[in-house]
Amino acid sequence: DVKVTQSSRYLVKRTGEKVFLECVQDMDHENMFWYRQDPGLGLRLIYFSYDVKMKEKGDIPEGYSVSREKKERFSLILESASTNQTSMYLCASSPIPGQAPYEQYFGPGTRLTVT
Amino acid sequence: AQSVTQPDIHITVSEGASLELRCNYSYGATPYLFWYVQSPGQGLQLLLKYFSGDTLVQGIKGFEAEFKRSQSSFNLRKPSVHWSDAAEYFCAVGGDTGGFKTIFGAGTRLFVKA
Repeated sequence: DVKVTQSSRYLVKRTGEKVFLECVQDMDHENMFWYRQDPGLGLRLIYFSYDVKMKEKGDIPEGYSVSREKKERFSLILESASTNQTSMYLCASSPIPGQAPYEQYFGPGTRLTVT
Repeated sequence: AQSVTQPDIHITVSEGASLELRCNYSYGATPYLFWYVQSPGQGLQLLLKYFSGDTLVQGIKGFEAEFKRSQSSFNLRKPSVHWSDAAEYFCAVGGDTGGFKTIFGAGTRLFVKA
């Protein structure tokens, strides 16, 4: 069974802290994504990666960075957490389009609260 | 610009009644279309997808969706709703343009009443 895991289900951090969210997939997928989910706004793409050490900005990259040192792991970093980054964060992975139907597989999410 | 619109923020149906969730998309090329479901506190799970071929696609949990190119729609249907179907549903579009990105709608929350 395919699996995407996220390091924490719930996280509470203080304003100004550096925050790391970890995501691991066991499907050997090339693509990995970080989204944030807010009520009424659906999923908004923060960053994605199509290969190790490769990354592309999504729609809302400000205040975030990412790291992909290994194919199975994709980390989201909040350099200096702010209260407006309180949200649900979802990680996903997918294979390359054309090689297989490239639906995305999602982790359970991390609900981050910044106080 | 690519976009997905789910006109209904929330819908309430009675258990056993039929369901239709609406989705309209804007996409410059042949779209890849998806419906995902998110149960409370969970990540998203794929219900069904359309890439080509038969415009009526079957998914898991008894759901189906119909692609109508002329209306730019991909509505999700289920003939008889169960209480366990209460969740949030997301329509999404992707394709060969825009790279690997998939655009998600804002979601429709389904409430099921006994």
